[in-house]
Amino acid sequence: NAGVTQTPKFRVLKTGQSMTLLCAQDMNHEYMYWYRQDPGMGLRLIHYSVGEGTTAKGEVPDGYNVSRLKKQNFLLGLESAAPSQTSVYFCASSYPFDSRQETQYFGPGTRLLVL
Amino acid sequence: DAKTTQPPSMDCAEGRAANLPCNHSTISGNEYVYWYRQIHSQGPQYIIHGLKNNETNEMASLIITEDRKSSTLILPHATLRDTAVYYCIVRVAGKLIFGQGTTLQVKP
Repeated sequence: NAGVTQTPKFRVLKTGQSMTLLCAQDMNHEYMYWYRQDPGMGLRLIHYSVGEGTTAKGEVPDGYNVSRLKKQNFLLGLESAAPSQTSVYFCASSYPFDSRQETQYFGPGTRLLVL
Repeated sequence: DAKTTQPPSMDCAEGRAANLPCNHSTISGNEYVYWYRQIHSQGPQYIIHGLKNNETNEMASLIITEDRKSSTLILPHATLRDTAVYYCIVRVAGKLIFGQGTTLQVKP
């Protein structure tokens, strides 16, 4: 199993450009998440999905959109990139044991620099 | 906001036990305590979680106080590869909220 993979690993954008980050998991997990991590900070939840075709907002959703057309993929889109979106983006997936227990598995991250 | 409090940094000698404390005084009766770690530049890695009883797996042990207001993660024989940021997490509205964590430096 590859686990959780992210594409691309690194990207440089100019302000106003758009891009899509791809997250893929091969563990048949129901839940998927997108986080961002700024230098010296913990992770912050952007958007998440509890199943194919569903998405919901997290702590910091502004400026991002997501889609979950297939169970194994979760896409994060930046329609018009801003320097404030320079960050490391992590994707995670999980299959909750129950409503209280859940183990998330994280991808290796995508480093995004917006000039 | 994170519902846990951790010291910002700790040191540990290689081969010794690393004991990482966490306060979660507002934890509700049915919420679990989770521990993740993040080795430099990598994605966070799940370590262990528990509710009331002490838990042990191949990576670590988790000791939760009887009143559940605090817990300790124990790495029994720390190695240099255990140098990382360790996050103690109690979920908020079903979501993991990562605070600043504890930076553990294992020294030779």
